[in-house]
Amino acid sequence: QVQLVESGGGVVQPGRSLRLSCAASGFTFISFGIHWVRQAPGKGLEWVAVISYDETNKYYADSVKGRFTISRDNSKNTVYLQMNSLRAEDTAVYYCTKDHLAGDPAGYFDYWGQGTLVTVSS
Amino acid sequence: EIVLTQSPATLSLSPGERATLSCRASQSVTNYLAWYQQKPGQAPRLLIFDSSNRATGIPARFSGSGSGTGFTLTISSLEAEDFAVYYCQQRSKWPFTFGPGTKVDIK
Repeated sequence: QVQLVESGGGVVQPGRSLRLSCAASGFTFISFGIHWVRQAPGKGLEWVAVISYDETNKYYADSVKGRFTISRDNSKNTVYLQMNSLRAEDTAVYYCTKDHLAGDPAGYFDYWGQGTLVTVSS
Repeated sequence: EIVLTQSPATLSLSPGERATLSCRASQSVTNYLAWYQQKPGQAPRLLIFDSSNRATGIPARFSGSGSGTGFTLTISSLEAEDFAVYYCQQRSKWPFTFGPGTKVDIK
């Protein structure tokens, strides 16, 4: 069965960096785009970034552009989110999600991880 | 970016009743709209994609309709496990955006 397992969350001071990982299994990883979606405590969902199956396309929300970088290692079935210059407003549960169609990212999220909490606080 | 608004913010109903949730887009998204269900402490679950297509394993009591700027999620007869928050989401234009959610709670 499809599994997405996030790790790397924690408490970090403003201005510092953190790298999240998403380990995938149960599907043909190299065929699908992977997204990060976040949810601030008690709030709604915000799409953050996506990486295409072959890494050629990466897109970011304006709120993280220039600070976050998404990457993937297809030999390890893992996607990463490097988060730099963190701000208090980046505090959220970060979910790794699988695009619902193979090929270029289509933009629906059919499988989700359990999420990892990032808290930015001094 | 495309802004999605959802109404009502909260819907209080009893099991067995029909739930009708609305999602409106600030500009046309054609039919590129999905619905997700989220229960407390859980990740969201995809229910409906492309306005009216049920995702794998989703019961038939969930249905979606609409196009352009107006969309509806209908739950024909609420069951205990359906009380949750529902989000709409568009994939018509980058960045992908979500609505603020509708909470369906027990009356």
